[in-house]
Amino acid sequence: DGGITQSPKYLFRKEGQNVTLSCEQNLNHDAMYWYRQDPGQGLRLIYYSQIVNDFQKGDIAEGYSVSREKKESFPLTVTSAQKNPTAFYLCASSIARGVNEKLFFGSGTQLSVL
Amino acid sequence: EDQVTQSPEALRLQEGESSSLNCSYTVSGLRGLFWYRQDPGKGPEFLFTLYSAGEEKEKERLKATLTKKESFLHITAPKPEDSATYLCAVQAGIQGAQKLVFGQGTRLTINP
Repeated sequence: DGGITQSPKYLFRKEGQNVTLSCEQNLNHDAMYWYRQDPGQGLRLIYYSQIVNDFQKGDIAEGYSVSREKKESFPLTVTSAQKNPTAFYLCASSIARGVNEKLFFGSGTQLSVL
Repeated sequence: EDQVTQSPEALRLQEGESSSLNCSYTVSGLRGLFWYRQDPGKGPEFLFTLYSAGEEKEKERLKATLTKKESFLHITAPKPEDSATYLCAVQAGIQGAQKLVFGQGTRLTINP
């Protein structure tokens, strides 16, 4: 079955540590996105990528980094510069850009600080 | 600034008790309004896209409607399995999904 796979499901970060969240899709989608979800707030866009080897900052990119070396993969690194990383992180993909594309989401990674 | 506000924040219904969820939006140049369902600890699942005022879409017990200022998600005779958080998002302008603005969601609980 086609879909988006996020791993791990739960992740714990120590102070000063960088951690990487994995996102893989087999939907052959061009565009991929990372969102952060906090209780009582709407999803906020961290980074997005419309093609391989290119990505753009979203609304809350500070303290995060990404890469897009393959069409299928879009990992997110939460760096030590992100002072409030505890949140539910969602990866998504869409079929095309510049149209009313719906998003397909992964099952999320819950990141907590030790 | 584009804004999306969902109400109520939480809604508890008895099985079979119909109701509506509201999504009010302020955007310049609406391109599409999306409804998603999210179960606890999981990613959102797409339900509907609405493009213009007056449009309606249905899926099982759910019906989404759109006006120039708001969208309603009507749920008819709900069942416990309809319990979830329902998210609304609007896309403005021509730049695609990277410009989606999400509401904070309505947490719906259906009691048997």
